[in-house]
Amino acid sequence: SSELTQDPAVSVALGQTVRITCQGDTLSSYYASWYQQKPGQAPVLVIYGKNNRPSGIPDRFSGSSSGNTASLTITGAQAEDEADYYCNSRDSSVYPLVFGGGTKLTVL
Amino acid sequence: QVQLVESGGGVVQPGRSLRLSCAASGFTFSGYGMHWVRQAPGQGLEWVAAVSFDGSSKYFADSVKGRFTISRDNSKNTLSLQMNSLRAEDTAVYYCAKDVYRSPTASLDCWGQGTLVTVSS
Repeated sequence: SSELTQDPAVSVALGQTVRITCQGDTLSSYYASWYQQKPGQAPVLVIYGKNNRPSGIPDRFSGSSSGNTASLTITGAQAEDEADYYCNSRDSSVYPLVFGGGTKLTVL
Repeated sequence: QVQLVESGGGVVQPGRSLRLSCAASGFTFSGYGMHWVRQAPGQGLEWVAAVSFDGSSKYFADSVKGRFTISRDNSKNTLSLQMNSLRAEDTAVYYCAKDVYRSPTASLDCWGQGTLVTVSS
């Protein structure tokens, strides 16, 4: 099965912009979705499809894709954005989903 | 509001079986694909299985294929995961999640709080 690679940790100064990336061969064929997970909580979908935000997700979250790399951008990071972020996508085979290893975002 | 509540977790010996359930409310359960995703202690997310809105299509991760079965009862708004031949590496919090669409995709827009399964002798 395919793999999705994420940087283990990223930091951003409060109010600045940060990009979290996800790389994998499957991303040239399928869009990534992005999830935010805070300690002790279930994941929350923040971006899906080309660049869709579920209801309740602030517009400072956006998604993009180029080649085999998908990106989650947080424009004007807030303290409450500190969390683990996971990407996922369909595998290039019949179906299985694959998740990236996650990126721990620290807001300084 | 959309709510998913998992149950059935616990401590089980290697080789034994366990059945997880997920009670759904606040949306038309029969209209959406559903998933199970797990997270081992201190680790990342791992997709386990998915089922289409009507139960006609089912998909499994290679790590559980042949051991786990996913099913749904649209009359009772319930999703289930039957786990057989459990191994230590199956120890994890198991989440039930709703898909954005009827057929399973990679977009899971609602998650339960999870139920912990510990496989240990």
